[in-house]
Amino acid sequence: ETGVTQTPRHLVMGMTNKKSLKCEQHLGHNAMYWYKQSAKKPLELMFVYNFKEQTENNSVPSRFSPECPNSSHLFLHLHTLQPEDSALYLCASSHLGPYEQYFGPGTRLTVT
Amino acid sequence: SQQGEEDPQALSIQEGENATMNCSYKTSINNLQWYRQNSGRGLVHLILIRSNEREKHSGRLRVTLDTSKKSSSLLITASRAADTASYFCATGGGETSGSRLTFGEGTQLTVNP
Repeated sequence: ETGVTQTPRHLVMGMTNKKSLKCEQHLGHNAMYWYKQSAKKPLELMFVYNFKEQTENNSVPSRFSPECPNSSHLFLHLHTLQPEDSALYLCASSHLGPYEQYFGPGTRLTVT
Repeated sequence: SQQGEEDPQALSIQEGENATMNCSYKTSINNLQWYRQNSGRGLVHLILIRSNEREKHSGRLRVTLDTSKKSSSLLITASRAADTASYFCATGGGETSGSRLTFGEGTQLTVNP
């Protein structure tokens, strides 16, 4: 459906676990994003990367650690999460500037 | 901070009818975009309208933008059951905001066969 893939699609983890979410885009974009979507809340922008450099951290707790090794790959490292972190985590990419964003299918995260 | 606010929160119509969703925002924008999301999946981009445009069409979709009222509408004509989804507006700021988008809470559209 889109050129943005995310793995895994579903993840259940305990509060003491460490896990990573992966996003990959095949669209030649140079901006990538992590969003959090919780029930009954607007989509929340977490991080923005332009040309592998983080340009925005939207006051995200340090238990979420992003990594962008190149313009095509984006990771979100998770550790000591809380139950309220359970949500759908969406990755997106775009050309740099005011353009449309292309989203991956998301990772449904459940923290137990 | 929340920028776009959609209205209504939920809309239920019969197949073949038109569906209109509205979006209001607070600050100046560079562009406004509409996205669709099927249950629990990623968002799909529908239309982008820039601040100097007033209307844009794409297939059965028509988007209007009124910057004086800080509002936009999305019209889906001749709706189909497959149009059932959540629809979000997202606003993009000026040049200093770069690619940043701020999303509203969305309108849940149900099209009954």
